[in-house]
Amino acid sequence: DAGVIQSPRHEVTEMGQEVTLRCKPISGHNSLFWYRQTMMRGLELLIYFNNNVPIDDSGMPEDRFSAKMPNASFSTLKIQPSEPRDSAVYFCASSPGIRAYEQYFGPGTRLTVT
Amino acid sequence: QQPVQSPQAVILREGEDAVINCSSSKALYSVHWYRQKHGEAPVFLMILLKGGEQKGHDKISASFNEKKQQSSLYLTASQLSYSGTYFCGTYFSGNTGKLIFGQGTTLQVKP
Repeated sequence: DAGVIQSPRHEVTEMGQEVTLRCKPISGHNSLFWYRQTMMRGLELLIYFNNNVPIDDSGMPEDRFSAKMPNASFSTLKIQPSEPRDSAVYFCASSPGIRAYEQYFGPGTRLTVT
Repeated sequence: QQPVQSPQAVILREGEDAVINCSSSKALYSVHWYRQKHGEAPVFLMILLKGGEQKGHDKISASFNEKKQQSSLYLTASQLSYSGTYFCGTYFSGNTGKLIFGQGTTLQVKP
């Protein structure tokens, strides 16, 4: 299995620009998670989907952030407009279920907003 | 709400043992352990679902004390490859699917 695939791996953009991060989960997994990791805040859950439906988006920091999962094999996390404080590593993870199952993390997207 | 890990950092020599603790102020449904090497993604180690459950593979094991709402990760006869940051993640009883990670414990194993 190819594992969780994320693109791009690195993104450098200017403040105010729109950023779209992409994720392809492991085939057969029905849960997908978006995390953000920074030195200050650690690893924090932004949103998760179960069977393509957003279940909990309480971790999404602001309305500038939005996430979609149009089908079982693709999800996006969009930031519009981006700000320097959004600079972080964004991980996507997938799992066969929630609570009692391991999560498989993608390699992450390192976002730098200047 | 975030579980608290201790210690924050530990330095070992190869062959030495270490214990990493994860404590919660809320009732736990399960505890997950992950290891993250520098510049890489977190990698799953194990899940503990029941109070009193213990698991292990190779020389890494963990226990879950439901009454005390804490879990411990045991690394015995540490190897250089054990270096990295260890995270515990917790699902709270009644919570749906939100895995909350602790702040991490950085482990460095020296030759």
